[in-house]
Amino acid sequence: DVKVTQSSRYLVKRTGEKVFLECVQDMDHENMFWYRQDPGLGLRLIYFSYDVKMKEKGDIPEGYSVSREKKERFSLILESASTNQTSMYLCASSTAGGSHEQYFGPGTRLTVT
Amino acid sequence: GQQLNQSPQSMFIQEGEDVSMNCTSSSIFNTWLWYKQEPGEGPVLLIALYKAGELTSNGRLTAQFGITRKDSFLNISASIPSDVGIYFCAGRGGGTSYGKLTFGQGTILTVHP
Repeated sequence: DVKVTQSSRYLVKRTGEKVFLECVQDMDHENMFWYRQDPGLGLRLIYFSYDVKMKEKGDIPEGYSVSREKKERFSLILESASTNQTSMYLCASSTAGGSHEQYFGPGTRLTVT
Repeated sequence: GQQLNQSPQSMFIQEGEDVSMNCTSSSIFNTWLWYKQEPGEGPVLLIALYKAGELTSNGRLTAQFGITRKDSFLNISASIPSDVGIYFCAGRGGGTSYGKLTFGQGTILTVHP
């Protein structure tokens, strides 16, 4: 079974703090994705990566950056957290060829106060 | 960009009833996926569809890839309380890079015992 894990289930940070969200997958997937989920807005893509050290902006990249130094790990960074970044953050991974099925982690509920 | 309209937005049903939800796209899709998200968890893949007209079942769930390639349907038969959650459709059109998916807004399902 595909397993995607996220470093924290719940996180509370203060405005202005630098925040790191970590995601690890164990299926040797090439593609990894970061989404945020807000009520009424569905899943919105922040950034994705199709290979080590490669990244592309999604639909809402402002205020975020990412890092992919190893194939299995994809990090989302909030350089200076703001209250409007309070959200559920979901990581997903998929293989490069064929199925396009994305497998999600359990999510990190981030609250910025 | 590609857009998905998912309906209904929410459903309140009695245990034992059948459920239907659907997604329509503004453009042709090559892949349709259906996910379920339980409260506080990440989405879990239920069914994947890859050919127009394809009908696939997973237990009490049945999904279809519309013949026009612009829509997909999910049916749940004889609902039970553990069917509660948010159901998302997701699709991928031709020319989409690196396995990116477009997600519907979700259907919130509530099942009354």
